[in-house]
Amino acid sequence: DSGVTQTPKHLITATGQRVTLRCSPRSGDLSVYWYQQSLDQGLQFLIQYYNGEERAKGNILERFSAQQFPDLHSELNLSSLELGDSALYFCASSVGDRGPSDTQYFGPGTRLTVL
Amino acid sequence: AQKITQTQPGMFVQEKEAVTLDCTYDTSDPSYGLFWYKQPSSGEMIFLIYQGSYDQQNATEGRYSLNFQKARKSANLVISASQLGDSAMYFCAMRGVYGNNRLAFGKGNQVVVIP
Repeated sequence: DSGVTQTPKHLITATGQRVTLRCSPRSGDLSVYWYQQSLDQGLQFLIQYYNGEERAKGNILERFSAQQFPDLHSELNLSSLELGDSALYFCASSVGDRGPSDTQYFGPGTRLTVL
Repeated sequence: AQKITQTQPGMFVQEKEAVTLDCTYDTSDPSYGLFWYKQPSSGEMIFLIYQGSYDQQNATEGRYSLNFQKARKSANLVISASQLGDSAMYFCAMRGVYGNNRLAFGKGNQVVVIP
């Protein structure tokens, strides 16, 4: 158990809908990262928050947004869902926001299926 | 930008044997970290081992060791005394000192341990 929690574990929804994925980082970690894993794209970095502020952006679509709350939990909002958004979404956390040695620990993931 | 290459086809390994998973990388960052993660069929991403680019010694964590050859830009994972529970996909990842704080992942190596 990495100490990172994600809910829900599975999510099935229809095209055009909006969903919210939730993540709680490990105790003491200030950084939260979101990744998307799909068969065709592999693991793709979406966005990072550090202590409530957006710190880095990756291949995140405009239909997707995220935030980190004062208690450091984070939510990833996916809207106007398309079939291609079906994927495993991971949240990871780490202590800081800089430094190559800052190990990221991953949650169990949320498997999103868009029908 | 960082690039990770994992090109080995799926591997079958006899229980109790050692297995080496290849990873090569490309980066212009002067300092970087290399990571290996394990993803079993259940889907979670489990951190295994970290190697810093300036570390003089190869990293070891229990049955996992990292064969780091900086000049060749390779960071191979060695799993000794394979167990059935080692059957999984293994991902090599790196994080540089410049740019955003994302982990760049390879496409993974599939390992199946047979009794």
